[in-house]
Amino acid sequence: TQLLEQSPQFLSIQEGENLTVYCNSSSVFSSLQWYRQEPGEGPVLLVTVVTGGEVKKLKRLTFQFGDARKDSSLHITAAQPGDTGLYLCGGFKTIFGAGTRLFVKA
Amino acid sequence: KAGVTQTPRYLIKTRGQQVTLSCSPISGHRSVSWYQQTPGQGLQFLFEYFSETQRNKGNFPGRFSGRQFSNSRSEMNVSTLELGDSALYLCASREQGAGETQYFGPGTRLLVL
Repeated sequence: TQLLEQSPQFLSIQEGENLTVYCNSSSVFSSLQWYRQEPGEGPVLLVTVVTGGEVKKLKRLTFQFGDARKDSSLHITAAQPGDTGLYLCGGFKTIFGAGTRLFVKA
Repeated sequence: KAGVTQTPRYLIKTRGQQVTLSCSPISGHRSVSWYQQTPGQGLQFLFEYFSETQRNKGNFPGRFSGRQFSNSRSEMNVSTLELGDSALYLCASREQGAGETQYFGPGTRLLVL
């Protein structure tokens, strides 16, 4: 059983669409990290959320940490082909979700 | 600052051989963790080192080992390679006192034939 469940597992959308990916757990996390990984490369840190209810924005990406610190979401506005990749959430330093593979078609 | 570097980037070995992978953390980072990533199992934690001491270990057989040097550089070794060891091996470094945020290297792609 994954301690961090990510959904959806796969998402294929057209350029310009909006999307949300989720990272859920039954455990409370002191913080959660979001990464984007491209094929053959290591995950690149996007953001760390620490406070329950916290919202962080990174250009067209909006990250939210649930009030109870058990879940998080990543919303992308007007997706672009450059957003294509594997999005991973991680917590407790060593626990990672299986990831959401996003493909944005031009 | 330079990021986490890993060498080599690609490696092909045969079953039964052993392999050593190297990781140089971000300057000033003393914590180094290793992960195995496969399509089927995702990102799995191998071990973490801090100040040359292993602090935490994942659920991997004893064929997987590591060490850290006084300059924080780390190596991991896999002995008696099996086909299932084919994976992307990632190293991540973390600044002590900076929470759980860690920064990954580009990885070493290992193929076992």
